[in-house]
Amino acid sequence: QKEVEQDPGPLSVPEGAIVSLNCTYSNSAFQYFMWYRQYSRKGPELLMYTYSSGNKEDGRFTAQVDKSSKYISLFIRDSQPSDSATYLCAIMNTGFQKLVFGTGTRLLVSP
Amino acid sequence: DTGVSQNPRHKITKRGQNVTFRCDPISEHNRLYWYRQTLGQGPEFLTYFQNEAQLEKSRLLSDRFSAERPKGSFSTLEIQRTEQGDSAMYLCASRGGGESYEQYFGPGTRLTVT
Repeated sequence: QKEVEQDPGPLSVPEGAIVSLNCTYSNSAFQYFMWYRQYSRKGPELLMYTYSSGNKEDGRFTAQVDKSSKYISLFIRDSQPSDSATYLCAIMNTGFQKLVFGTGTRLLVSP
Repeated sequence: DTGVSQNPRHKITKRGQNVTFRCDPISEHNRLYWYRQTLGQGPEFLTYFQNEAQLEKSRLLSDRFSAERPKGSFSTLEIQRTEQGDSAMYLCASRGGGESYEQYFGPGTRLTVT
């Protein structure tokens, strides 16, 4: 079993839709949770970062963490064609330095 | 803050050749990471530096791979005797000190081994 599971998609939605992207993880020691956006052939870009259960909002993006279920989500409101990219969840344990990534979910937002 | 830079952006090499990649982190960041990403997968951790000290290495980092950060600023990743399985995107990330855990990635170096 992988430490972090993420549906690879693709997820296709029309412009303006609310998008929900999710990851599950197996190690309860994980404490820090990040979402990255990666356009084709580019490096990952940090979108959101949180270390506690609950919600964190930044513009059209909301990150949600449920540590009891080992489940994290990223919601995108009013999705735009420019949001079309691969979204990677990444999780970290402070005892170790590395980020553990999901496989990424490819999102396609059609005009 | 000019971001993390990586050079070259693309490298095509023949099997058996040696290649070297460079990463320049965000200037005030003392922590530097190397990851490898293959098609359809998330990045996988290779190694970590705090200042000039290499503190962690993945089992993915075979003896053909070596990384350095001689003065605690830029870093190099060298692959000796490249194999076709080394074809991937090599990503560098940096992170500031203290309680900041966010890692910021560069654009990557895409390696193709023919």
